[in-house]
Amino acid sequence: DVKVTQSSRYLVKRTGEKVFLECVQDMDHENMFWYRQDPGLGLRLIYFSYDVKMKEKGDIPEGYSVSREKKERFSLILESASTNQTSMYLCASSFDLASKETQYFGPGTRLLVL
Amino acid sequence: DQQVKQNSPSLSVQEGRISILNCDYTNSMFDYFLWYKKYPAEGPTFLISISSIKDKNEDGRFTVFLNKSAKHLSLHIVPSQPGDSAVYFCAAIGEDSSYKLIFGSGTRLLVRP
Repeated sequence: DVKVTQSSRYLVKRTGEKVFLECVQDMDHENMFWYRQDPGLGLRLIYFSYDVKMKEKGDIPEGYSVSREKKERFSLILESASTNQTSMYLCASSFDLASKETQYFGPGTRLLVL
Repeated sequence: DQQVKQNSPSLSVQEGRISILNCDYTNSMFDYFLWYKKYPAEGPTFLISISSIKDKNEDGRFTVFLNKSAKHLSLHIVPSQPGDSAVYFCAAIGEDSSYKLIFGSGTRLLVRP
């Protein structure tokens, strides 16, 4: 079974803090993704990585950065957290882009920025 | 502007009956569609998919129908079970991008015993 884990289930941070969200997958997947889920908006792609040290912006990258130093780990960084970044953050991974194979999601991190 | 729309935020169905979840899209370049199911405190899990070259795909109790002319797809669950109670997301992929999933806002299904 594919397993995608996220370092925290719940986080509370203050405005202006630097926040790290960590994601690890154990299936040697090439591709990893960060989404945020907001009520009425579904899931929106923040960043995507198709290889170590490679990244691509998604639909809403503003205010975020990412890091992929190892294949199994993909980090989302909020350089200076703001209240509008309060959300559910979901990490996903997939093996093969060309086959449109499904993405496997982690359980999510619910972030509250005060 | 949302390219994938799920206009019903919630649906309640009696156990044993059919559940029909609907999804509309605006981009005619989408060529692959997926349904994900999400339980509280868990990530979404893949349920079923359909390519734009088909109009129906079936997997057990789950069937997805695609009407390309209407830019509409639906997920049928027959018979519905209480364990099907979850949020269902419709997602689409464009032919120019095999990785970028465009999600709808989700429909919360409640199956009453």
